Amino acid sequence: EPEVTQTPSHQVTQMGQEVILRCVPISNHLYFYWYRQILGQKVEFLVSFYNNEISEKSEIFDDQFSVERPDGSNFTLKIRSTKLEDSAMYFCASQDTFANTGELFFGEGSRLTVL
Amino acid sequence: DAKTTQPPSMDCAEGRAANLPCNHSTISGNEYVYWYRQIHSQGPQYIIHGLKNNETNEMASLIITEDRKSSTLILPHATLRDTAVYYCIVRVGDKIIFGKGTRLHILP
Repeated sequence: EPEVTQTPSHQVTQMGQEVILRCVPISNHLYFYWYRQILGQKVEFLVSFYNNEISEKSEIFDDQFSVERPDGSNFTLKIRSTKLEDSAMYFCASQDTFANTGELFFGEGSRLTVL
Repeated sequence: DAKTTQPPSMDCAEGRAANLPCNHSTISGNEYVYWYRQIHSQGPQYIIHGLKNNETNEMASLIITEDRKSSTLILPHATLRDTAVYYCIVRVGDKIIFGKGTRLHILP
């Protein structure tokens, strides 16, 4: 069964460092997402991406964050100058069809720990 | 914010049907009801979705009331592996917004 894969599974970084989290969505999917989950809290939407541009972003997704799909397969989330409160699980998801009738497939997540 | 209300937790005996309720009284006519679950800290897993009619797949059944203001997810024969947080979501546009969900405990 096709799946969304994420790397690294766990990354530890120092506050102020830049981090790139990588995702390989399912190959024929067109819509891509990043979510995060701070330990013990709910899963929060960060950003959706379609046709090589951001389609929607939440208040969390400020100038510290950026996304891109550099090579047509990987979908990356970059966090510049990480803060302690960026420590969380980051989930990538993808979907093949448009809008509200499709299924989002989630990866297993990347755990980011900022020291 | 999520447009749904769910009980924070429920218990169900192993082998019995687990019935998870959800209220979505402000749902609009073209908005779908989705159910996902999250086992421990794994990525959320899709279960089922529907608009008006009841739906069934290999994992669960979804019963939506005629006025669409509430729904019930049914796991017909719960096992210990079904212990998870279950999220009822009214989908708006192309993103999924998670609420706090229901933590389902399956009791041996």
